[in-house]
Amino acid sequence: DIQMTQSPPSLYASVGDRVSLPCRASQTIRNFLSWYQQKPGKAPKLLIYAASTLQSGVPSRFSGGGSGTDFTLTITSLQPEDSATYYCQQSYSAPYTFGQGTKLNIK
Amino acid sequence: QVQLVQSATEVRKPGASVRVSCKASGYIFSTYYMQWVRQAPGQGLEWMGSMNPNTGDTKYSEKFQGRITMTSDKPSNTAYMDMRELRSDDTAVYYCARLWEGASFDSWGQGTQITVSS
Repeated sequence: DIQMTQSPPSLYASVGDRVSLPCRASQTIRNFLSWYQQKPGKAPKLLIYAASTLQSGVPSRFSGGGSGTDFTLTITSLQPEDSATYYCQQSYSAPYTFGQGTKLNIK
Repeated sequence: QVQLVQSATEVRKPGASVRVSCKASGYIFSTYYMQWVRQAPGQGLEWMGSMNPNTGDTKYSEKFQGRITMTSDKPSNTAYMDMRELRSDDTAVYYCARLWEGASFDSWGQGTQITVSS
């Protein structure tokens, strides 16, 4: 199975900050990488797919980059509503594993 | 708009079985694979398996092989996930999700809480 590693498990940032959340795959996954945002009690929401394609309706302050094994979700100009847990997921080969998530706290 | 509506909360005893349903609307049901993902309390997301609603073909995570069955009913645009021999560590929220471009999961059901307790 491909292991997805997200670190740190939690992060504190302020409104207006730029943050970058890393995700690493245990082997190459080309660009089969998606990012999801999950708020408490809610289903995950797709933000980015194919490593860098912004899902329709997602604010442009979210962007994704990387390929192979190293990926990054970047959020510019943080907003209070960005407080959530962010998961990366590989869909290169089954089982389609998720990272453990990074909880983003807005100060 | 695409919508996935799941069945309600279930409580089961250890060793029992459960069925979760996921009714799709807003798109052609048979043309997109359906995924199932679960999330234990305070934990991350865990992929369980995938089903092609058109052919019935399935792919399950090895962890659940032999204990889950994914099926669909095309006339009612509904996907089902059956799980047997439930254990307390199967307590989780179970989600269905549509497989979309870039093999991403673009639409999710609201989640179904399954609690396994004696």
